Amino acid sequence: SQTIHQWPATLVQPVGSPLSLECTVEGTSNPNLYWYRQAAGRGLQLLFYSVGIGQISSEVPQNLSASRPQDRQFILSSKKLLLSDSGFYLCAWSVLLRTSGTKTNTGELFFGEGSRLTVL
Amino acid sequence: ILNVEQSPQSLHVQEGDSTNFTCSFPSSNFYALHWYRWETAKSPEALFVMTLNGDEKKKGRISATLNTKEGYSYLYIKGSQPEDSATYLCVSVGSARQLTFGSGTQLTVLP
Repeated sequence: SQTIHQWPATLVQPVGSPLSLECTVEGTSNPNLYWYRQAAGRGLQLLFYSVGIGQISSEVPQNLSASRPQDRQFILSSKKLLLSDSGFYLCAWSVLLRTSGTKTNTGELFFGEGSRLTVL
Repeated sequence: ILNVEQSPQSLHVQEGDSTNFTCSFPSSNFYALHWYRWETAKSPEALFVMTLNGDEKKKGRISATLNTKEGYSYLYIKGSQPEDSATYLCVSVGSARQLTFGSGTQLTVLP
């Protein structure tokens, strides 16, 4: 069965410090990978998504970056955190959306446990 | 409608009450609609994935309907229980496979 793990679960970091959140998926290959953020009082915002190794699409300009060094590994980074980076970060994966014969998958998302980041 | 909109933003109901909330999404270039349940301190879990106009899905006391022509989906909870308290997220999947999240409906079921 497929599983997804992300860590660390909680972080408290000073402004200007670097960030690294890691996410790994097991039990599937070539997944779509996503990083989402929920800022306080707001909905989920897509930050990055990846359809393959080294392929990263950014949805929102910011001081964050993402990398996918391996098929099932997705990393969210920052060189210098801002106060506005505080929030709850979720990694997710989905099967590549495509139709094969009579079977179509609809990209159901499977989420990691989340990482709560507080920037002071 | 250009975005995914959910209403109400939050609601409180008494244990045993039935309730429902709405997700509105762009009807053009529709591919699929997802409903997720997000409990505090946990990660979102998929409830339903619907693709066809008129789809009705049911899981226990929770059910959902889909109208792709007018761009809305309803989520119903029958006989609400305190353990149903969560944020319910609606996600629209477009024909380009882009996912757009609604801001969620936060449900609190009071014992």
